[in-house]
Amino acid sequence: GAVVSQHPSWVICKSGTSVKIECRSLDFQATTMFWYRQFPKQSLMLMATSNEGSKATYEQGVEKDKFLINHASLTLSTLTVTSAHPEDSSFYICSATSDKKNSPLHFGNGTRLTVT
Amino acid sequence: GDSVTQMEGPVTLSEEAFLTINCTYTATGYPSLFWYVQYPGEGLQLLLKATKADDKGSNKGFEATYRKETTSFHLEKGSVQVSDSAVYFCALQPQGGSEKLVFGKGTKLTVNP
Repeated sequence: GAVVSQHPSWVICKSGTSVKIECRSLDFQATTMFWYRQFPKQSLMLMATSNEGSKATYEQGVEKDKFLINHASLTLSTLTVTSAHPEDSSFYICSATSDKKNSPLHFGNGTRLTVT
Repeated sequence: GDSVTQMEGPVTLSEEAFLTINCTYTATGYPSLFWYVQYPGEGLQLLLKATKADDKGSNKGFEATYRKETTSFHLEKGSVQVSDSAVYFCALQPQGGSEKLVFGKGTKLTVNP
């Protein structure tokens, strides 16, 4: 069964506020989690990789002070969009995997963020 | 760098039609190849995968064969259903064990009754 829960599924916030998105692994220890951003009619763009207990590794062009990622436990990673602006409106998806050999990658259902 | 190119949609078919969604890739060595499906409002679900040349991945009537010589992993289904309407993403995982996936842009499929 499923296995990665992402919350909230959608959120609307005002410009300038911060929004936190949670990604939880339900029945396995997620040593590595990935955060993606999906623009309309485009592919998923990897934003960052987080390993439990370590600082996240951000992809080129992604502002780490803007998109704060915390992976403090083996079952939870959070993405906080700070001082959100309308251009941050997007679909954010997390995925998680364990450190077991050939462990599959499980995706959350995504979060639709709308900044007004 | 590694990349995935898949056929642009949208694709609209009638129920029971044959489906092909083309996918080609650029990567060094032998990446693993995947097809993911995204139903409206949901995250991605793994549809099928192949980890070495000539492997055929299959699931729910969908198939794709890893063709090293043409660097392709085309998705096919002999008879589509309305419930197959979704966005399909081709992806690769570079050789070497990194979990990072490189995705294509996605192809939206609509199947009409």
